[in-house]
Amino acid sequence: NAGVTQTPKFRILKIGQSMTLQCTQDMNHNYMYWYRQDPGMGLKLIYYSVGAGITDKGEVPNGYNVSRSTTEDFPLRLELAAPSQTSVYFCASSYSLIYNEQFFGPGTRLTVL
Amino acid sequence: RKEVEQDPGPFNVPEGATVAFNCTYSNSASQSFFWYRQDCRKEPKLLMSVYSSGNEDGRFTAQLNRASQYISLLIRDSKLSDSATYLCVVNLSSGGSYIPTFGRGTSLIVHP
Repeated sequence: NAGVTQTPKFRILKIGQSMTLQCTQDMNHNYMYWYRQDPGMGLKLIYYSVGAGITDKGEVPNGYNVSRSTTEDFPLRLELAAPSQTSVYFCASSYSLIYNEQFFGPGTRLTVL
Repeated sequence: RKEVEQDPGPFNVPEGATVAFNCTYSNSASQSFFWYRQDCRKEPKLLMSVYSSGNEDGRFTAQLNRASQYISLLIRDSKLSDSATYLCVVNLSSGGSYIPTFGRGTSLIVHP
């Protein structure tokens, strides 16, 4: 089991560029999440999904989009990157929304210049 | 008031010390509670779930106080390897669903 994998590990974008952060899990979890973590801060939920075809906004969804066409994959799309999106992005998955631990990927460090 | 609050520290303690962290939450309808550990530049990993009756895992004890809306983490006999950031997570009730909400973390530094 690879768990949760994320690509790329690092990326530098110019203002206005777009990119997709990839996230895949092989644990057959229905629930998947995208977080961002700014320096010295906790994780903030961007979007989450309760199953293939179902997504919902978290605390900080502006500037991002997601899709969930399969159980395994949950890509995060950044359109028109801005310096405020410089952060570390973590993808996570869990068996249930409430009671089970979340398993995190290693993160993507994104810098927007 | 922030929804989940933690003292960011750092807590600087000698090896062998006992240290405790608290985490307060704003929504009394919150369903579940966790402590995660995050090492520098790494992903968070589950340390403990927090149950109403309290739970213990070796040197770590977690407790929940629903009346005062806080959870706590106690670390006994601190080791150098305990140095990390400890994140509390509360699944807050929000519009009929539950949203996992992280505190900003408490930094622990254990020195020789």
